[in-house]
Amino acid sequence: DIVMTQTPLSSPVTLGQPASISCRSSQSLARSDGNTYLSWLHQRPGQPPRLLIYKTSDRFSGVPDRFSGSGAGTDFTLTISRVEAEDVGVYYCMQGAQFPFTFGQGTKVEIK
Amino acid sequence: QVQLVESGGRVVQPGGSLRVSCAVSGFSVSSSGMHWVRQAPGKGPEWVACQRFDETLKHYADSVQGRFTVFRDNSNNILYLQMDSLRVEDTAIYYCAKGPYGGYFDYWGQGTLVTVSS
Repeated sequence: DIVMTQTPLSSPVTLGQPASISCRSSQSLARSDGNTYLSWLHQRPGQPPRLLIYKTSDRFSGVPDRFSGSGAGTDFTLTISRVEAEDVGVYYCMQGAQFPFTFGQGTKVEIK
Repeated sequence: QVQLVESGGRVVQPGGSLRVSCAVSGFSVSSSGMHWVRQAPGKGPEWVACQRFDETLKHYADSVQGRFTVFRDNSNNILYLQMDSLRVEDTAIYYCAKGPYGGYFDYWGQGTLVTVSS
């Protein structure tokens, strides 16, 4: 199975400041169709996860443009350009390149 | 508007069976890959199973292989997860999610809680 490792596991952030989360996979997530199947999800307490970024850097419909994804191969980053109060919660990276799909441990983002 | 609504979760004894459902609107289950993902209390999500849009391919996590079965009712636009030989460690919120057979989950339901306990 592909192991997904996120850092940091906890991130106190200041409103209006940038924040970033890293995700590393144990194998390349690049597929023969030319896509790299790394996605980012956000989960608030009591809510299901919701998709933010798919295929490494494509922003899902309705997601604010302060969220961006980057990376290739085995190293990926989610960046929030200016953190807002509604951004608190847990962020997960997920690989969909190979079954079984696997998630990172999660990064808890909270306001300082 | 895409909506997924799970139901059927309850308390069940170890070794028992349960079927949870996912009623879909805004798209057809026969036109999309569909997945089940679970999340144990206080833990991260765990992918469980998926079915390709044409039902030609299905995949299961090793932890549920041989015990869980994913299938659907096209006429009523419902996805099912049949769970047999349930174990305490199957206790979780079960979410259905829409997404390509390979790739990502673009829409999620609110989940249904399955508790396996004696």
